[in-house]
Amino acid sequence: QVQLQESGPGLVKPSQTLSLTCDVSGVSISSDVYYWSWIRQLPGRGLEWIGYIYYIGTTYYTPSLQSRATISIDTSKNQFSLKLTSVSVADTAVYYCAREEYGLDVWGQGTTVTVSS
Amino acid sequence: DIQMTQSPSSLSASVGDRVTITCRASQSISGYLMWYQQKPGKAPKLLIYAASALKSGVPSRFSGSVSGTDFNLTISGLQPEDFATYYCQQSYNRPRTFGPGTKVDIK
Repeated sequence: QVQLQESGPGLVKPSQTLSLTCDVSGVSISSDVYYWSWIRQLPGRGLEWIGYIYYIGTTYYTPSLQSRATISIDTSKNQFSLKLTSVSVADTAVYYCAREEYGLDVWGQGTTVTVSS
Repeated sequence: DIQMTQSPSSLSASVGDRVTITCRASQSISGYLMWYQQKPGKAPKLLIYAASALKSGVPSRFSGSVSGTDFNLTISGLQPEDFATYYCQQSYNRPRTFGPGTKVDIK
């Protein structure tokens, strides 16, 4: 059974860097079939796609976050990560990792990140 | 970016009702359209991919269709567990974009 699990600090101070990791189990992150994605959901709002990474390290980000977001992959640990720099209160959200094949077919449970001093 | 719109933004329905939600893209996305269900406090769940393909394990009362430039999600015989918010999403190009959601609640 494929499972994804996000982890990372739940509280980040403004101007600092948000760092999250997604542990993948039940499938190799080195598979050439999937893209590994990050999505967030602002409080009471809809879903915002942040970006994804392919197993060889190719990345794509949504333009509004491209200058601040970095997604990386660690095939030895079967995990991928998100770093978002210079955060503000507007980055407070539930962050999800997900697998994309035909659609985002497996999601983590989500982790809440609050940006506050 | 491709903009996705959904209608209605919310609807009230009764158990057993047939419900249709519509999604439209700002440009052609071929059939690269997905539907998700999200319940409060939970991650979204993929229901339909490629506009009309039912994900394995999803009840057959859910169906997806295309009518011109409109993509439709239909729930035939609404069940209590179907009260949720539904999102469409395009994967035709990057960035991936979602519709704003349609909340289905109990009448």
